[in-house]
Amino acid sequence: QVQLVESGGGVVQPGRSLRLSCAASGFTFSSYGMHWVRQAPGKGLEWVALISYRGSNKYYADSVKGRFTISRDNSKNTLYLQMNSLRAEDTAVYYCAKDVSSGCGADCPPGYWGQGTLVTVSS
Amino acid sequence: SYVLTQPPSVSVAPGQTARITCGGNNIGSKNLHWYQQKPGQAPVLVVYDNSVRPSGIPERFSGSNSGNTATLTISRVEAGDEADYFCQVWNGNTDLWVFGGGTKLTVL
Repeated sequence: QVQLVESGGGVVQPGRSLRLSCAASGFTFSSYGMHWVRQAPGKGLEWVALISYRGSNKYYADSVKGRFTISRDNSKNTLYLQMNSLRAEDTAVYYCAKDVSSGCGADCPPGYWGQGTLVTVSS
Repeated sequence: SYVLTQPPSVSVAPGQTARITCGGNNIGSKNLHWYQQKPGQAPVLVVYDNSVRPSGIPERFSGSNSGNTATLTISRVEAGDEADYFCQVWNGNTDLWVFGGGTKLTVL
């Protein structure tokens, strides 16, 4: 069955970097666009970034543009989120999610989500 | 930027029908998606492209979208439907995904 397992979260000081990973299994990873979505404690959902199934197109929320980089390694079935210049307001649970359908465009919604990894930015 | 507006809370008795709205400028021209999130769990897609139910989602969940308002309708509400519900659209003008603020559904 489909599995998405996030890792790499933890406590980090403001201004430092962190890289999240999302290991995918149970589906043809290279055929699906992938998203990162975050949720601050007690708050709603905030979309962070999207990468197309081939990795050629990337999209970012304004709040992370220039600081975060989404990437993927289709040979390892793994999605990444490199987070630089972290701020207190980046504190959240970060979810990775796969598109609801294979081979679709940027307007394809996240159809299946992992359980998330918590990132805490604090001194 | 494009804004989606949801009521903070909706309450309904078991067996009744819950309607959760999502408002946005000319939202009927966009494809609208709905997620259910129970406490401590990851979100689950319950309706996409306005009215399509993913595999495994009960027929009690349905969606509509017209004008400036989209609606998620949950028929014959059960205690297990108590959760937060979020709407979402793709804003093609800015290449950004947008979520509504979420609605907490309480089953009385």
